[in-house]
Amino acid sequence: KNQVEQSPQSLIILEGKNCTLQCNYTVSPFSNLRWYKQDTGRGPVSLTIMTFSENTKSNGRYTATLDADTKQSSLHITASQLSDSASYICVVSESNTGTASKLTFGTGTRLQVTL
Amino acid sequence: KAGVTQTPRYLIKTRGQQVTLSCSPISGHRSVSWYQQTPGQGLQFLFEYFSETQRNKGNFPGRFSGRQFSNSRSEMNVSTLELGDSALYLCASSLVAVTGRNTIYFGEGSWLTVV
Repeated sequence: KNQVEQSPQSLIILEGKNCTLQCNYTVSPFSNLRWYKQDTGRGPVSLTIMTFSENTKSNGRYTATLDADTKQSSLHITASQLSDSASYICVVSESNTGTASKLTFGTGTRLQVTL
Repeated sequence: KAGVTQTPRYLIKTRGQQVTLSCSPISGHRSVSWYQQTPGQGLQFLFEYFSETQRNKGNFPGRFSGRQFSNSRSEMNVSTLELGDSALYLCASSLVAVTGRNTIYFGEGSWLTVV
């Protein structure tokens, strides 16, 4: 069964510090991996999309990495801000089937940035 | 351009009632998918529509149904509501079918509470 596991489940960091969130997956065959940011009570917003051939993708202070061999991805947040407080969701797509039913969602990492 | 619009944002229903949720995708997007999100669980796939046709349905009981209209707007209906149906229901749209680097845009969601 395809699975996406994220760690840690939750994280508290001080404003200005960096942090790294992890995503391990067992989805096969792999097509692409997406990271989303979801503020409390809001819909997820896309941060990055990476395909098999890409191992790094940046979006401002967010940098995602992908190791397709070990089936691991990470999301690194640099110089965190209070507005980074949110859940971060890893989503892996199986094959290139063109259907949402082949998306596997992680349960997310809840990040809290404090003063 | 306007994002994915979901209505209503919040609603409270009684067990046994039915509910209809609406989703207007981004203009020009033909693919609409629906998800249920509950605390501690990742997003669970409900349905996917493309050009008024249901392409896939997730592992949910028949009480959950949906449809897509010719203007790509979509509705989902839940009949005979149960307490366990309380969740955030998210709609997402994409330009064409979900594949490759195609970005999936989520709406803000409809919060359903069943009492």
